[in-house]
This record gives sequence, C-alpha cells and structure tokens, in this order.
Amino acid sequence: GAGVSQSPSNKVTEKGKDVELRCDPISGHTALYWYRQRLGQGLEFLIYFQGNSAPDKSGLPSDRFSAERTGESVSTLTIQRTQQEDSAVYLCASSRTGTGGYEQYFGPGTRLTVT
Amino acid sequence: KNQVEQSPQSLIILEGKNCTLQCNYTVSPFSNLRWYKQDTGRGPVSLTIMTFSENTKSNGRYTATLDADTKQSSLHITASQLSDSASYICVVSIGYSTLTFGKGTMLLVSP
Repeated sequence: GAGVSQSPSNKVTEKGKDVELRCDPISGHTALYWYRQRLGQGLEFLIYFQGNSAPDKSGLPSDRFSAERTGESVSTLTIQRTQQEDSAVYLCASSRTGTGGYEQYFGPGTRLTVT
Repeated sequence: KNQVEQSPQSLIILEGKNCTLQCNYTVSPFSNLRWYKQDTGRGPVSLTIMTFSENTKSNGRYTATLDADTKQSSLHITASQLSDSASYICVVSIGYSTLTFGKGTMLLVSP
C-alpha cells in the first residue's frame, strides 16, 4: 500500500508570506505527527493528532504555527508570516495508534526555504 | 532535561567492515527506544523498537542492544554495505507523543 506522502516536496517562499504544507497519512492510521528538522539538527516534535481527540500542540514553537487534521485523514501544517529561522525540512509521520510502541512511518518531508 | 546523546557524530568505514553506534539517554520515565535510518533527502525508517525489558533486537545486519540500568543503547552493523551510508537516529519515547530524538550519527561506507 501507499506510504505517507507529503506535498510540496520543496517550497521556497519570501519572508513574511504564509505557507501550507500537506500530509497524507497511511490509510487506517489514527495517529499523525508533525516534526521539524533543521540542518544538522535532530527532529523536533511539533504536534500530534490521535483520532478525534484534541491534538497535542506542545511542540509548536510559536503562534505562527498551526495544524489541522480532517478526521483520520489529511493534515495541513500552516506557518504564518514565515521567518528565515523557519527554514527546515518538515516531516510528517503516521502510526496505527499513538499508544505505546507502534511504529511510526515517515513521509519524505517538505523542504521549506524562507528567503 | 530529557536528552539523547549519540556518538560518534560521524563515521567512515570500509565496505564489509562492522561498526557500532552509541546512544546515551537521560529520558525518564522510559517507554521504548527506537533506532531509525535516514537516507539523505528521505524520511526516517524504523530499524528496531525495544521496550525497557528487552536487551537486544535484530533486524537483518542491524542489531540493537539496550541497557536500561546505564541508559545506554548501541546499534551494531555487520558486514557493512554501501547502501548503509545514512544518518542513524536514536529516539527515546516516554509515551505516545513524547519522543526525544538524538541528532544522529552520519555513517559513510566507503568502497
């Protein structure tokens, strides 16, 4: 079956513009995660969705960042008024549930460059 | 503060040789420890997942060990291949969403 897909694969935007990143999780996976990976750094947790529960937004770095998920399907990560420090690869992952040691499957990421 | 430290930062080995990557963590309480392989420009791919009660887990030429007492894990790669060139990331989990990622070890397998 299809894996996690993300679009666009690359995005270049001007400072101050808004961007929207999309993630299509594996069908049937109730848990969905967004991460950010800056150059040479480890992955940073941003936000977690589990079914219809309220999302865990504890990793969002500022109120310019928001994310939505429709049911147990597509998710969008929105960054408003982008800054140069937002430049990074944004990775999405999904898993069967968010409980315990279920494996996370990652998408290829969206490389965001803010000029 | 929950931390995951990996060493070495980078490593170059000859094709066919073995290598061992290290991971030390201070995350508590501990749920499970994962090793991921991340090829350049790709998302991470899971290699192993271990709970605190497991000491070792293998996946082909990859063998992970865990010492929950000393909070150390290692990933041993046997008979390395060129395709093993990647970043190897150690991840420690407290619960469903609290994953702490190491910065990774960049491995280059040279012909």
